Amino acid sequence: EAGVAQSPRYKIIEKRQSVAFWCNPISGHATLYWYQQILGQGPKLLIQFQNNGVVDDSQLPKDRFSAERLKGVDSTLKIQPAKLEDSAVYLCASSLGTSGRVGEQYFGPGTRLTVT
Amino acid sequence: AQRVTQPEKLLSVFKGAPVELKCNYSYSGSPELFWYVQYSRQRLQLLLRHISRESIKGFTADLNKGETSFHLKKPFAQEEDSAMYYCALNTNAGKSTFGDGTTLTVKP
Repeated sequence: EAGVAQSPRYKIIEKRQSVAFWCNPISGHATLYWYQQILGQGPKLLIQFQNNGVVDDSQLPKDRFSAERLKGVDSTLKIQPAKLEDSAVYLCASSLGTSGRVGEQYFGPGTRLTVT
Repeated sequence: AQRVTQPEKLLSVFKGAPVELKCNYSYSGSPELFWYVQYSRQRLQLLLRHISRESIKGFTADLNKGETSFHLKKPFAQEEDSAMYYCALNTNAGKSTFGDGTTLTVKP
């Protein structure tokens, strides 16, 4: 099966600019996750969708980050305006399960964002 | 709130030696626990999960609810095991939390 796709793979922007990341999950996977991974740390969950509804966005900095999942399939994550501390790898993952036991996650290759 | 702790950032062993990567968690409910691995230049992928109780690439992990631990073990480490290992927990509501990872280096 095709894996989770993400684009772009790399992005360099200046602070205060905006940026958007795109994710296409594995076909049929109901749950989609966006993680932020800062160098030396584990992935930190930003937002979790189940189909096109938000399950958890408690760690999403909503003053600058936004995300949507169109028609319960693809998703975009946007940062506006970006700060230096947003430099990280942004990972998208998907899983098959719903309603609690969502099971294992399949990860995309990530987008490495550098904010200068 | 749930939490996953991996106390060792770096772990280095010689080929053929046993290896244990530690994972401790805190969660009041009944968790789903996973080990994910990231080899150099590859994406993060599942290594094993506690529900399946299987051995993958010689690795096993046992959930110890009394000690709230899910340590990953392998009796004889191989050079190809060198990678970054993450312990992860899913709550009853499906929320996911990762530890900060352990970098394992297996020396020849």
